[in-house]
Amino acid sequence: KAGVTQTPRYLIKTRGQQVTLSCSPISGHRSVSWYQQTPGQGLQFLFEYFSETQRNKGNFPGRFSGRQFSNSRSEMNVSTLELGDSALYLCASSTRTGNNYGYTFGSGTRLTVV
Amino acid sequence: DAKTTQPNSMESNEEEPVHLPCNHSTISGTDYIHWYRQLPSQGPEYVIHGLTSNVNNRMASLAIAEDRKSSTLILHRATLRDAAVYYCILSEANAGNMLTFGGGTRLMVKP
Repeated sequence: KAGVTQTPRYLIKTRGQQVTLSCSPISGHRSVSWYQQTPGQGLQFLFEYFSETQRNKGNFPGRFSGRQFSNSRSEMNVSTLELGDSALYLCASSTRTGNNYGYTFGSGTRLTVV
Repeated sequence: DAKTTQPNSMESNEEEPVHLPCNHSTISGTDYIHWYRQLPSQGPEYVIHGLTSNVNNRMASLAIAEDRKSSTLILHRATLRDAAVYYCILSEANAGNMLTFGGGTRLMVKP
């Protein structure tokens, strides 16, 4: 079956712009989480959505937001981009929410802010 | 946040078993122990997870200490493809699907 699909794979944006990243989870998976990975901070949790509701949020400014649609697809948005937002953004999906489930990650969207 | 401690790096020979240790002395009774690995230029990959009992799957085995303050991921026969960063993570009961990644262990496999 198809894995977690993230689009686009690569993106270059200018400071001050906004960006929207997309994630299509594995069919039947209803939970989608987003992570940011940078060389300095490693992998950091952004937020989790389950059944179109945000269940958990990491320690990121309000410029980072997300949503989930009825088909479980999710988008994350970053407004007023800063140079420090350059990172690999990863999406992970699982069948349900909770700490007893393994999660499948996508290959990520590499965002470069110039 | 529940924390884990792992060695920064380990080295193994191809086709030999590998034991990757993880300490989690502050684990609570409802925290699950998860292991993920990340190969270069890829997203993390789920390896295994468990609560109290040892777990086995096609990729690896997870041995959990009786007091749950430490665990060991066992790769039975390392291959070059197993060279990756391995993350040991405590997933808290009230944290939904949030995973708190640490620095992980970089495993190098020598042919």
